[in-house]
Amino acid sequence: DAKTTQPTSMDCAEGRAANLPCNHSTISGNEYVYWYRQIHSQGPQYIIHGLKNNETNEMASLIITEDRKSSTLILPHATLRDTAVYYCIVRPGYTGNQFYFGTGTSLTVIP
Amino acid sequence: NAGVMQNPRHLVRRRGQEARLRCSPMKGHSHVYWYRQLPEEGLKFMVYLQKENIIDESGMPKERFSAEFPKEGPSILRIQQVVRGDSAAYFCASSPDASYGYTFGSGTRLTVV
Repeated sequence: DAKTTQPTSMDCAEGRAANLPCNHSTISGNEYVYWYRQIHSQGPQYIIHGLKNNETNEMASLIITEDRKSSTLILPHATLRDTAVYYCIVRPGYTGNQFYFGTGTSLTVIP
Repeated sequence: NAGVMQNPRHLVRRRGQEARLRCSPMKGHSHVYWYRQLPEEGLKFMVYLQKENIIDESGMPKERFSAEFPKEGPSILRIQQVVRGDSAAYFCASSPDASYGYTFGSGTRLTVV
């Protein structure tokens, strides 16, 4: 029950910005958009999350459209270590709701 | 300030044996979540526990699997009478409360031979 749609795979040149799209057209007003990534065989790593405003941290930026039906995760200067599967997840902000991971986008950063 | 600790990292069991997977949440985190990742597949939610209580076990197989999070000590995911189909990576995550994002551990890779 992922409720999001992401491209299966993407490539990005090393040093360039990686823009990973996510559609969540059925998002509810109380649902946040979260991004996680999983580098091969490791545990998922939290990247960023937001409700309706754009967010930025040391890892990435999150751009959420005004209607909140889609978002884009931006890795400003991709490195080879950013090669991973990236998961976009929508989740209510109140208690008792788990993260449901879909199939994600497999990002390959190319030297 | 250690992260989520899972042990063992790798576990090999023969068919029919029991597997016990341990998860120590981050300090100050009282919510624990278990996920399973079968080879070449995505992460599947199994169970959500808060100290001494199972909050949501909707993803747990109906038989052979159980989980606990006692007042003292780590959370335990127990698989009885393991079968080859149980071979997977099992990830534990914790959070300070259910409205926060999770921090995941490095996982336990179970191989059933």
